[in-house]
Amino acid sequence: DAMVIQNPRYQVTQFGKPVTLSCSQTLNHNVMYWYQQKSSQAPKLLFHYYDKDFNNEADTPDNFQSRRPNTSFCFLDIRSPGLGDAAMYLCATSRDNGLTQYFGPGTRLLVL
Amino acid sequence: QKEVEQNSGPLSVPEGAIASLNCTYSDRGSQSFFWYRQYSGKSPELIMSIYSNGDKEDGRFTAQLNKASQYVSLLIRDSQPSDSATYLCAVRPGGTSYGKLTFGQGTILTVHP
Repeated sequence: DAMVIQNPRYQVTQFGKPVTLSCSQTLNHNVMYWYQQKSSQAPKLLFHYYDKDFNNEADTPDNFQSRRPNTSFCFLDIRSPGLGDAAMYLCATSRDNGLTQYFGPGTRLLVL
Repeated sequence: QKEVEQNSGPLSVPEGAIASLNCTYSDRGSQSFFWYRQYSGKSPELIMSIYSNGDKEDGRFTAQLNKASQYVSLLIRDSQPSDSATYLCAVRPGGTSYGKLTFGQGTILTVHP
């Protein structure tokens, strides 16, 4: 089945230790998104890729970076995680000019 | 004013009743509207999308859109305990591209037997 896959599902890191979260998709969608969702809050868009074009949200901290080496994969790098970065990180995809976003299962990040 | 507002609830309804979830948005140019369901600790799952004024029905779910009032709602008929979740309203604001969405903070729905 076509799907959006995120790894790992749970990630524990230490304060200041870089961490990378991955997302892959078999939907062949052009657009990939990264959201941060804290407890009882709305998902907050961090950035998205349209093909290789990177689009950063204005209020996304510099601590967050992303890479998309090919259509299928997208990575979220957190260079120096702080306690406030503990959250669920959601990857989503949508088809070219499509509006429906399909979410992966998420990665829950814990910062110690 | 938040761009997309929802009553956080919790909304509690008995099994078999109709649950009514509401959402208002601030951008009058918004074009597309979505309802996602999110179980605790899980990712959002699309339930309904609606683009035109009026009602759209899919099984037990009905989405209603009123662009003049900047209001979108979701009705769940014959509510089941398995419907207990957080329901997120998402709006595609006018003038944005690539399906960028703005989410409300969600309404917690509890269906009790």
